[in-house]
Amino acid sequence: GDSVTQMEGPVTLSEEAFLTINCTYTATGYPSLFWYVQYPGEGLQLLLKATKADDKGSNKGFEATYRKETTSFHLEKGSVQVSDSAVYFCALSGQGAQKLVFGQGTRLTINP
Amino acid sequence: KAGVTQTPRYLIKTRGQQVTLSCSPISGHRSVSWYQQTPGQGLQFLFEYFSETQRNKGNFPGRFSGRQFSNSRSEMNVSTLELGDSALYLCASSWTGDQPQHFGDGTRLSIL
Repeated sequence: GDSVTQMEGPVTLSEEAFLTINCTYTATGYPSLFWYVQYPGEGLQLLLKATKADDKGSNKGFEATYRKETTSFHLEKGSVQVSDSAVYFCALSGQGAQKLVFGQGTRLTINP
Repeated sequence: KAGVTQTPRYLIKTRGQQVTLSCSPISGHRSVSWYQQTPGQGLQFLFEYFSETQRNKGNFPGRFSGRQFSNSRSEMNVSTLELGDSALYLCASSWTGDQPQHFGDGTRLSIL
C-alpha cells in the first residue's frame, strides 16, 4: 500500500539556519503530496502542496518540489525562525482516494 | 469563515464505556474524514463520509463507527473503550473529498 517516510527527529536548529526535512513516498500512479504543520495543542494546518511531478509548492518561505524520479518531496526553508518550531508531517493522497497517508512527523525546534 | 469545529476538546472515559465525538465542517464542505493520532502509530485514517455515505474506511475494528448528517456534520462513536483508544481524534473537511483537507483542533480522549 501507499506509504510515506520522513527523516527522524527531533531536529534542533539555530534561528536563521537552513532547514531540510526529507520525505520519500511509495505509491502507485500519481499521488498528490502535502506538508502539514502542527503547533502544540492544535490540529494540522496545510503548509503546501503539489499535485504533479516537478510542481513546486511554496508558502511562508517553505518550499518542496515533487520529484517523481526519486519519489521525494523534501521540505526546505532558507532561514528559519523561532516561530517555525512545530511538528511537520509529510503526506500523500493517492489518485481517486479520499484519505491522507502520513509520515511519522518530524519535531522541529528553533533556538534563538 | 469558521473553520472545522470539534467538540468536546477533551474527554476522560473508563474502559468499557462508549463515547461520541462531534465534528462540524467548514460551511459548504461535504466531505468529512476522521483520523486517530497516537505517539506510537502516528496519524491513521479512520473513515470518510460524503453526502451521508461512508466512502472509505481505514483498518480499525468495528468498535469505531461514524455517521454524517444532512447538514454535513459528522459524529464518530467508539464503543467498549480500551486503554489503547487514548488518542487525539482529528476531523478534516473538504469540498468533495479531493484534497486539501482542513483540520479541526481535535478531541483528546483519555481512557482510564
